[in-house]
Amino acid sequence: SAVISQKPSRDICQRGTSLTIQCQVDSQVTMMFWYRQQPGQSLTLIATANQGSEATYESGFVIDKFPISRPNLTFSTLTVSNMSPEDSSIYLCSVEESNRGISGANVLTFGAGSRLTVL
Amino acid sequence: DQQVKQNSPSLSVQEGRISILNCDYTNSMFDYFLWYKKYPAEGPTFLISISSIKDKNEDGRFTVFLNKSAKHLSLHIVPSQPGDSAVYFCAASDIYNQGGKLIFGQGTELSVKP
Repeated sequence: SAVISQKPSRDICQRGTSLTIQCQVDSQVTMMFWYRQQPGQSLTLIATANQGSEATYESGFVIDKFPISRPNLTFSTLTVSNMSPEDSSIYLCSVEESNRGISGANVLTFGAGSRLTVL
Repeated sequence: DQQVKQNSPSLSVQEGRISILNCDYTNSMFDYFLWYKKYPAEGPTFLISISSIKDKNEDGRFTVFLNKSAKHLSLHIVPSQPGDSAVYFCAASDIYNQGGKLIFGQGTELSVKP
């Protein structure tokens, strides 16, 4: 399966600042997915990053708050802008791997996550 | 609206016994269900999946059961081992969103005691 590296693994940030999270995959992939896990909550998809086009955002997430870059087929960044304590979460990068599960079920492989604490 | 629910935040089981983790869902359009395991400071890792046309899928010590009429699935781990101690997430995809969008439950923290 793909190996995904995320940086930073954790950070403590001040309110009002922005932080960019990097995601590197060891193979070329068409789509990369950014998820968020707020404390005690489930994982929620923020957006899908396609190389060469604008990211597609899920309901409740906007580009101004979570700008995404996808400069090539192995790399993506997610920026959390103008942070508030409510943005304290684990942010996870993932890629889809066809057929790791049963036929038709595309399985996601995740990075270790970036734990952000906003003071 | 929580479409996938894991109502037990934690479960404690003795080593060697069976662990049963439960998951309920509301969306009848879900066609695949997956279980992920997550250790602290690591990303979730895929464990096992099941299609909505099946009622059981088995992989070694792990078996997933699906009851479509009840919109309920469960993960059985037999026998449980201390290394199974982790947070387990149930997830689902629907026929319109198979491209990377999974709907996750809140997770159940399993503790297997020696």
